[in-house]
Amino acid sequence: GQQLNQSPQSMFIQEGEDVSMNCTSSSIFNTWLWYKQDPGEGPVLLIALYKAGELTSNGRLTAQFGITRKDSFLNISASIPSDVGIYFCAGRSGQFYFGTGTSLTVIP
Amino acid sequence: GAGVSQTPSNKVTEKGKYVELRCDPISGHTALYWYRQSLGQGPEFLIYFQGTGAADDSGLPNDRFFAVRPEGSVSTLKIQRTERGDSAVYLCASSIHGGGAYEQYFGPGTRLTVT
Repeated sequence: GQQLNQSPQSMFIQEGEDVSMNCTSSSIFNTWLWYKQDPGEGPVLLIALYKAGELTSNGRLTAQFGITRKDSFLNISASIPSDVGIYFCAGRSGQFYFGTGTSLTVIP
Repeated sequence: GAGVSQTPSNKVTEKGKYVELRCDPISGHTALYWYRQSLGQGPEFLIYFQGTGAADDSGLPNDRFFAVRPEGSVSTLKIQRTERGDSAVYLCASSIHGGGAYEQYFGPGTRLTVT
């Protein structure tokens, strides 16, 4: 099945730094969801986006629904060690398609 | 409240055997999804139920895979004649799907290993 392209594939950052990652597709989507997954667990929903151009925050996380409806961005401010994990985007066009994931490592 | 639960958490089976994986969605969620996640990949859509009926089963890889949701709550994913390539984590998610809301909440998954 189709998978969205996420970048970067992995990130190694210092605690306190800001993080940016994005998700792109050749198709238009009506909904974007962002998830975080820890090893051995299911993905946990972080943010849901429903309108092109929408900017939504959840604590230190901010996500945007791209105006072309083919991309989305997730930013994490002032990273902390518990931000470690794999972040997935998911876009809805009928069914949901998931990205390839961005692995985040935070160095204390 | 209780989240999505999945049983078993781990299943090891021999090639050619039949397996059933169970999902208990969040109470009141009408939509239920099954995904398969291979190592290092994002979840891959298998099937989506709205109530008791399969609204979209286009992600099922072949006719060895089948899923049911007879009462619109618990769902069972069934895999016949398992193959080693079926080894993966099988994730279930549920959603309210009301008023344009599509947030999906995932269970912890069932890790299936076919030997």
